[in-house]
Amino acid sequence: DIQMTQSPSSLSASVGDRVSITCRASQGIRNNLHWIQQKPGKAPKSVIYDASSLQTGVPSRFSGSGSGTDFTLTISSLQPEDFATYYCQHYATYPYTFGQGTKLEIK
Amino acid sequence: EVQLVESGGGLVQSGGSLRLSCAASGFTFSDYYMDWVRQAPGKGLEWVGRIRNKANSHTTEYAASVKGRFTISRDDSQNSLFLQMNTLKTADTAVYYCVRGNRGFDYWGQGTLVTVSS
Repeated sequence: DIQMTQSPSSLSASVGDRVSITCRASQGIRNNLHWIQQKPGKAPKSVIYDASSLQTGVPSRFSGSGSGTDFTLTISSLQPEDFATYYCQHYATYPYTFGQGTKLEIK
Repeated sequence: EVQLVESGGGLVQSGGSLRLSCAASGFTFSDYYMDWVRQAPGKGLEWVGRIRNKANSHTTEYAASVKGRFTISRDDSQNSLFLQMNTLKTADTAVYYCVRGNRGFDYWGQGTLVTVSS
């Protein structure tokens, strides 16, 4: 199985900050990577697919980059509603696997 | 508007069975692959399995942790997805999400909680 490793596991930041979360795959996955946002007690929500494409309705302050094994989710100017846990997930081969999550907290 | 609504969760004893349903609306259900993803209390996300669309013969894929115990099916005439869970274990305790398998996983249901007691 492909292992997905995110860093950092948690991150404190302020409104207006630019933040980045990285995700590394244990083997190449081309651009078959998805970023997911989850707020406490809520269902997950898709943010980025195909490593860099924005899902419908997601603000343009979110962006994704990378290919192969190394990927990054960047939020250019944090808003209060962005504080959540973020997961990466690959869909290159079965079984699909997720990273362990990065909790983005308010400083 | 795309909507996915799960039902059927509840409390079941270890070794028991449960069937989850997902009612889909707002899109042409039969065209899409559908997945189940679960989340144990306080833990991360785990992919459970997938069923492809009719064009791909409704074939399925499963995570190793559930293969042979769980079965995914669908009824395109009723816009419904199902997860039959047998021989349940306490480790299967989780919120189960119905997910549309497009552009990654573009739409998620609100989830249904399954609790397996020992």
